[in-house]
Amino acid sequence: AQSVTQPDIHITVSEGASLELRCNYSYGATPYLFWYVQSPGQGLQLLLKYFSGDTLVQGIKGFEAEFKRSQSSFNLRKPSVHWSDAAEYFCAVGAAGNTPLVFGKGTRLSVIA
Amino acid sequence: GAVVSQHPSRVICKSGTSVKIECRSLDFQATTMFWYRQFPKQSLMLMATSNEGSKATYEQGVEKDKFLINHASLTLSTLTVTSAHPEDSSFYICSARTGLHNEQFFGPGTRLTVL
Repeated sequence: AQSVTQPDIHITVSEGASLELRCNYSYGATPYLFWYVQSPGQGLQLLLKYFSGDTLVQGIKGFEAEFKRSQSSFNLRKPSVHWSDAAEYFCAVGAAGNTPLVFGKGTRLSVIA
Repeated sequence: GAVVSQHPSRVICKSGTSVKIECRSLDFQATTMFWYRQFPKQSLMLMATSNEGSKATYEQGVEKDKFLINHASLTLSTLTVTSAHPEDSSFYICSARTGLHNEQFFGPGTRLTVL
């Protein structure tokens, strides 16, 4: 069965510092991988996605993620965090066909001055 | 592109009443939509998969008679919470699937409070 693990429940970083949010997945075939961000009381916004090809994918808001098959990971990174990046981040895995995405439990990012 | 709307964004109702939540894909057609429930500070819990023109597929433990889902068109799915009770209070989010790679785009969510 598909599963997604986000090991960090809560991360606090200083504004301007770099960020890496971890995501590990379990899936039998090549997965489709996604990162979403959710601000309080809002829906989820797609940051970036990986289907195939280049394992380093660029997303919106200066985020990037790298697919590492050998580690079953899809970590999200940003070189310099802004206060507005404070939110909940969800990693998700999917597949072809009519299957729903499987979400991790999320990582809450706090940004301090 | 790929915008999904939900209406209403917030609803307060009395216990025992029914509430309908609409989910629309505004600029694309979605044969499949999903309904999620989210408790405070938790991840999304998939409730059901809504397929246009056919019955919804409910996840284990979700009461199909309580959470009625209708996907009457390629751009509209509705979730009706029947005979709502305070324990149904939650944040309900829909998503619409499009494209070859199972991309899902999410609505802004509906905050339901049952008094």
